[in-house]
Amino acid sequence: GQQVMQIPQYQHVQEGEDFTTYCNSSTTLSNIQWYKQRPGGHPVFLIQLVKSGEVKKQKRLTFQFGEAKKNSSLHITATQTTDVGTYFCAGPGSGNTPLVFGKGTRLSVIA
Amino acid sequence: KAGVTQTPRYLIKTRGQQVTLSCSPISGHRSVSWYQQTPGQGLQFLFEYFSETQRNKGNFPGRFSGRQFSNSRSEMNVSTLELGDSALYLCASSLFRQNTEAFFGQGTRLTVV
Repeated sequence: GQQVMQIPQYQHVQEGEDFTTYCNSSTTLSNIQWYKQRPGGHPVFLIQLVKSGEVKKQKRLTFQFGEAKKNSSLHITATQTTDVGTYFCAGPGSGNTPLVFGKGTRLSVIA
Repeated sequence: KAGVTQTPRYLIKTRGQQVTLSCSPISGHRSVSWYQQTPGQGLQFLFEYFSETQRNKGNFPGRFSGRQFSNSRSEMNVSTLELGDSALYLCASSLFRQNTEAFFGQGTRLTVV
């Protein structure tokens, strides 16, 4: 079945450093979504990318969707302690199935 | 508008017992999906309901079941609980079945002892 893989699994950074997580799908995606889950919380929607090569920014966060629509990345510039959490990418399942999530990247920020 | 509400928030059960979890989606959302989240496996899809019908089911044993009511509220049931069923169970509602953001509830933390 369809798989969505994310790397790295964990990332520890000093506050102020940049952070990037990568997402790869085994199949072409019609769109990709990103979610953030704070420790002890639930996943919260961040953004959806639809177009090939699309780049979207939300303040310090930059999201990219690959040209082949099989990969995506999330880049955070100058991390802050508020960025701590697990970042998940998710794509629509094959056929008409709901979202398939990557296993997430857990970000720790050391002040 | 009110978010997705899951009850109860925490639950402790003994092996062999059964449990029912409840999810009230955002008003107007007819699609409800359930996920199991464990530290090692991430978010694993359990099932999806739309208009009171189960549309998709993940790779879980038959002990896991669910249903959706006419008001879109959904319940999931786990029978004959095993220690490995300990997890955070998350419900997500969305306006459409695909290509739209999912709104998650706070989850039910189930501990099986």
